[in-house]
Amino acid sequence: DAKTTQPNSMESNEEEPVHLPCNHSTISGTDYIHWYRQLPSQGPEYVIHGLTSNVNNRMASLAIAEDRKSSTLILHRATLRDAAVYYCILLSVGFNKFYFGSGTKLNVKP
Amino acid sequence: NAGVTQTPKFQVLKTGQSMTLQCAQDMNHEYMSWYRQDPGMGLRLIHYSVGAGITDQGEVPNGYNVSRSTTEDFPLRLLSAAPSQTSVYFCASSLVRGSEQYFGPGTRLTVT
Repeated sequence: DAKTTQPNSMESNEEEPVHLPCNHSTISGTDYIHWYRQLPSQGPEYVIHGLTSNVNNRMASLAIAEDRKSSTLILHRATLRDAAVYYCILLSVGFNKFYFGSGTKLNVKP
Repeated sequence: NAGVTQTPKFQVLKTGQSMTLQCAQDMNHEYMSWYRQDPGMGLRLIHYSVGAGITDQGEVPNGYNVSRSTTEDFPLRLLSAAPSQTSVYFCASSLVRGSEQYFGPGTRLTVT
């Protein structure tokens, strides 16, 4: 199964943009890139996903490198409520499994 | 919609006891799955189902059984609880495999 690599932790100031990186050098052509986040004492929450093109939604943007070996989750204006663990996951079309890594713990300072 | 519900929220078991963690969703989702999360770790997939009557193993299936007799329900059964199964258990569902997953609030299980 394809693996992802993320920094253990990152820190940001409130109201500033945050760029959360993810490396996935063994990604295959049919792997989707998914991002979830987990707030303290809660279940994971879907953030965004994409295949090749950059994606935007109300929560975040996903920038995917041209070779697809890395991606970046962008929170445009961090708030204290964005403090969470962010997971980058690869999912192959036709496979039914999600593998979560250890994720990046984002700390947002007021 | 209630989304994904899990019961109980907390449970303490003695080693060797069995129990069933309940999971239900009211979104008519095909895909359902169970994860466990140990302290300070990411989630690990236990079992999953792509529809009623169809289940398969995930990353850490040993010591757990599942069944899927209806679209709505996906119970997880611990056969003979062990301290190594102390964890937080999350159930999730999605419309189809690979789409956005919705997670329940979790069940915190302690085995003594």
